[in-house]
Amino acid sequence: EAGVAQSPRYKIIEKRQSVAFWCNPISGHATLYWYQQILGQGPKLLIQFQNNGVVDDSQLPKDRFSAERLKGVDSTLKIQPAKLEDSAVYLCASSFDSGLYEQYFGPGTRLTVT
Amino acid sequence: GENVEQHPSTLSVQEGDSAVIKCTYSDSASNYFPWYKQELGKGPQLIIDIRSNVGEKKDQRIAVTLNKTAKHFSLHITETQPEDSAVYFCAASIEGYSTLTFGKGTMLLVSP
Repeated sequence: EAGVAQSPRYKIIEKRQSVAFWCNPISGHATLYWYQQILGQGPKLLIQFQNNGVVDDSQLPKDRFSAERLKGVDSTLKIQPAKLEDSAVYLCASSFDSGLYEQYFGPGTRLTVT
Repeated sequence: GENVEQHPSTLSVQEGDSAVIKCTYSDSASNYFPWYKQELGKGPQLIIDIRSNVGEKKDQRIAVTLNKTAKHFSLHITETQPEDSAVYFCAASIEGYSTLTFGKGTMLLVSP
């Protein structure tokens, strides 16, 4: 089966600019996650969707980050305006359902903010 | 919230040796502990997981042990091979919730 797709793979922007990332989960997976992975650290959950509803966004910096999952399939994560500390890899993952189902990760988008 | 500590941060072994990575967690309610392998330029991939109702689980050269009393769990890789070189992450979660809290990772280097 096809894995989790993400684009772009790399993005370089200047601070205060905006950027958007796209994720296409594995077909049939109801749960979608966005993680931020700063260099040298483990992934940190930003937001979790169940179908097209938000389950957990407690660690999402809502003043600058936003995410949506229209029609319960693809998702976009946006940062506006970007800060230097937003430089990281943004990982999308999906699972069949919420709870203790394996999370499958995409390759990530590496964001560099200069 | 949950806090997961992982050690060591880097581990260098010779091919054929064993490697052990240890993690501790803070929330006694956590009862699901997966391990992920991340290769350069790729997303993490689940390699093994354990639930709190068992103390040990094996899958070929990989095993995980869990001590709920001490709140720590470990990954054991035997007969290491160069292709085992990667960053390994432990994580913890509470059953019924999907939120994983990850450790900071261990870079494993296996020299031929």
